[in-house]
Amino acid sequence: DTGVSQNPRHKITKRGQNVTFRCDPISEHNRLYWYRQTLGQGPEFLTYFQNEAQLEKSRLLSDRFSAERPKGSFSTLEIQRTEQGDSAMYLCASSPSGNTDTQYFGPGTRLTVL
Amino acid sequence: TQLLEQSPQFLSIQEGENLTVYCNSSSVFSSLQWYRQEPGEGPVLLVTVVTGGEVKKLKRLTFQFGDARKDSSLHITAAQPGDTGLYLCAGEYNQGGKLIFGQGTELSVKP
Repeated sequence: DTGVSQNPRHKITKRGQNVTFRCDPISEHNRLYWYRQTLGQGPEFLTYFQNEAQLEKSRLLSDRFSAERPKGSFSTLEIQRTEQGDSAMYLCASSPSGNTDTQYFGPGTRLTVL
Repeated sequence: TQLLEQSPQFLSIQEGENLTVYCNSSSVFSSLQWYRQEPGEGPVLLVTVVTGGEVKKLKRLTFQFGDARKDSSLHITAAQPGDTGLYLCAGEYNQGGKLIFGQGTELSVKP
């Protein structure tokens, strides 16, 4: 399977704990995006990378959130000191840099903060 | 702030009926995408439209981008239970990379 993969698929954690999610994009795609989706809503943009450079961050991305893409391939999204309001589906997408409107999504990581 | 309004939010129809979902904005988008999402999964890309007035067909699905590139519609002919899911429109604003999503239309097609 050469699609976008995300791990883990589900994460349950207690409030105050740190969590880290991983995204592996389609191998030839330069751009990688993170979105968050809560129940009954469409996805909301969090941040995106062009290769290893983080080009834009949403105001939704508080200082407890950090994303990295150190080698321009896979990316990690870390949430520190989780809060119940962080419970959501975290989606990763990738696209070729010359065709940024065609974004392919992974299956998502469902986070539940107790 | 660029917003996309989708309507209706919920739609429950019988197999064989036709339906149209609308996606509207006051902003001009450089492109617009339609996705379908099943519970617990990521959105799956159905189509991208980039030219004002463009019409694309995918089997029983017809997608249209408005002339001014501010709105779009998805029409499904003779809906089937397999069409059930969450339909999302998403626009790329000013070729900036990030997508702005509508809130989605939850479609249920009953046999």
